[in-house]
Amino acid sequence: SQTIHQWPATLVQPVGSPLSLECTVEGTSNPNLYWYRQAAGRGLQLLFYSVGIGQISSEVPQNLSASRPQDRQFILSSKKLLLSDSGFYLCAWIFGTASYEQYFGPGTRLTVT
Amino acid sequence: ELKVEQNPLFLSMQEGKNYTIYCNYSTTSDRLYWYRQDPGKSLESLFVLLSNGAVKQEGRLMASLDTKARLSTLHITAAVHDLSATYFCAVDSGSRLTFGEGTQLTVNP
Repeated sequence: SQTIHQWPATLVQPVGSPLSLECTVEGTSNPNLYWYRQAAGRGLQLLFYSVGIGQISSEVPQNLSASRPQDRQFILSSKKLLLSDSGFYLCAWIFGTASYEQYFGPGTRLTVT
Repeated sequence: ELKVEQNPLFLSMQEGKNYTIYCNYSTTSDRLYWYRQDPGKSLESLFVLLSNGAVKQEGRLMASLDTKARLSTLHITAAVHDLSATYFCAVDSGSRLTFGEGTQLTVNP
């Protein structure tokens, strides 16, 4: 069965520190992968998506970056965190090619202090 | 640019009552999704609506899609406390989803 993992679950980082969030998918190959951010009490904002290894599309210019070093691994990074980077980061993937339904990982809650 | 608007954003209702959440979107799309989010949790898929006139029901929730009006509804029948959560609609635009701001539903005894 297909499963999506995110690591870590919770993170508290000081302003100016680097960031690395990891998303891995099991049970499928060549998935479309997505990073979203949800600020407190708000909707989801698409940050990046990837249709394959090394292929990254950025939706919002900011101090974040994404990489896809392996087929089922998607990484979100930053060199220097800002207070405004705090939020709930969700990785998602598309199941199947008919419905394009997205399934979400458990999320990483990031607090920048 | 695709815009998705939900209303109401906040909904407080009594158990046993019926209500409808609306999702309007600005550009043509044939795929619309409804998700549920409990506090502190990720999103859970509720419904996938893939064509005009599609209607899906699960328990006390029923979702419908009118692509000509660019409108989807999520109808709640005889609400129970367990339905308290935030509900999001999302519209597909080329395998990328644009989400509404969410409707925070509170069902009171």
